[in-house]
Amino acid sequence: AQSVTQPDIHITVSEGASLELRCNYSYGATPYLFWYVQSPGQGLQLLLKYFSGDTLVQGIKGFEAEFKRSQSSFNLRKPSVHWSDAAEYFCAGRYSGAGSYQLTFGKGTKLSVIP
Amino acid sequence: EPEVTQTPSHQVTQMGQEVILRCVPISNHLYFYWYRQILGQKVEFLVSFYNNEISEKSEIFDDQFSVERPDGSNFTLKIRSTKLEDSAMYFCASSFGQSNQPQHFGDGTRLSIL
Repeated sequence: AQSVTQPDIHITVSEGASLELRCNYSYGATPYLFWYVQSPGQGLQLLLKYFSGDTLVQGIKGFEAEFKRSQSSFNLRKPSVHWSDAAEYFCAGRYSGAGSYQLTFGKGTKLSVIP
Repeated sequence: EPEVTQTPSHQVTQMGQEVILRCVPISNHLYFYWYRQILGQKVEFLVSFYNNEISEKSEIFDDQFSVERPDGSNFTLKIRSTKLEDSAMYFCASSFGQSNQPQHFGDGTRLSIL
């Protein structure tokens, strides 16, 4: 079955420190992959997406993610975290073929930023 | 930047009552979706809709659920007879295409069933 796993429920980093949020996927073929962010009381905002091609993708707010087929991973990174990055982050995947377009989400990683 | 809007932001309903959640997708988008997130759980797919038809639905989307695009701008989710376990955050999303187009989400409607 298709699945997306985020192993870390909660991560705390200091402001200015680097960040890496982990995401692993399990699909029969290379999926399309996404990272969304949810601030308190807000909806899901798309940070970045991977469809094909360059395995390092750039997103908004200074985030990037790297697709690694050998590790079935799509980890989200940011070199220097700002206090406003505190939010919940969701990795999501989708079958890349025709016929099913539903997103499968991970459980989310809550990011806390300490001054 | 265009966005998906959902109303109301919070809906409180008695068990057994019907509820309609409303969404205005991004104007040039053609594909529409509903997802839900029960507190503390994953965001789960409910249904996708294209060309006035359901194109895909999950096993959660049973006979008590229905979707409709009553006019050129709104997309609604109706729950006929609500149950306590329907309490969740419901997200509407839309995309221009399906193949390699991302889905854009609204802020959600928090549904509380009493």
